[in-house]
Amino acid sequence: GNSVTQMEGPVTLSEEAFLTINCTYTATGYPSLFWYVQYPGEGLQLLLKATKADDKGSNKGFEATYRKETTSFHLEKGSVQVSDSAVYFCALSMNTGFQKLVFGTGTRLLVSP
Amino acid sequence: EPEVTQTPSHQVTQMGQEVILRCVPISNHLYFYWYRQILGQKVEFLVSFYNNEISEKSEIFDDQFSVERPDGSNFTLKIRSTKLEDSAMYFCASRQGTGRTNEKLFFGSGTQLSVL
Repeated sequence: GNSVTQMEGPVTLSEEAFLTINCTYTATGYPSLFWYVQYPGEGLQLLLKATKADDKGSNKGFEATYRKETTSFHLEKGSVQVSDSAVYFCALSMNTGFQKLVFGTGTRLLVSP
Repeated sequence: EPEVTQTPSHQVTQMGQEVILRCVPISNHLYFYWYRQILGQKVEFLVSFYNNEISEKSEIFDDQFSVERPDGSNFTLKIRSTKLEDSAMYFCASRQGTGRTNEKLFFGSGTQLSVL
C-alpha cells in the first residue's frame, strides 16, 4: 500500500540554522505530496504541496521538491526562527477517489534563540 | 481564513462508554473526514463522508464507529463502546471539492480522547 516515512525527531536547532526534514514515500502511481504543520494547540495546516515530479512547493521560506527518482519530498528552510517550532507532517494523496491523505509520523522541530 | 471547529478539545471517558466527538466543517465544504493519531504514531485515516454517506473507511473504522451529519452543519464521530486503544487525538477535516485544484484539506485542532 501507499506509505510515507519521515525522519524521527525531535530536531533541535538554533535560530538561523539550516533545516532539513527528510521524507520518502511509497506509492502505486503518481501521488500529490504535502507538508502539513501543527503549531502547539492548533490543527494541522497545509504548509506546501507539489502535484507532479520536479515541482517545487514553497511557503513561508520553506521549500520541498518532488523527486520521483528518489521518491522523496524533503523539507528545507535556509534560516529557521523560534516561531517555526512545531510538528511537521509529510503526506501523500492519490489523485483519484476521495483523495484521503496518508501521513508520516511527524517530526517535532524545536528552535532555540 | 475559515476554520474547522472541534469540540471538546479533551474528552475523558471510562472503557465501555459511548463518546461523541463533534466537528463543524467549513460551511461550503462537501467532503468530510476523520483521522486519528495515537501518541507517537502516524496520523491515520478513519473515514470519508460525502453526500450524506460514507465514501471510504479504513480497517480501523469497525462496527463500533459511526459518523453522522445530523443537521447540515455538524459532523460527528461516535464510538459506541470505547476501548483503551481508542485513546488518541481525533482530527476532523473538510474540503470544498476534489481534484488537483481542490486538494487543500482544512483540519480542526483535534479532540484528545482518553479512555480509562
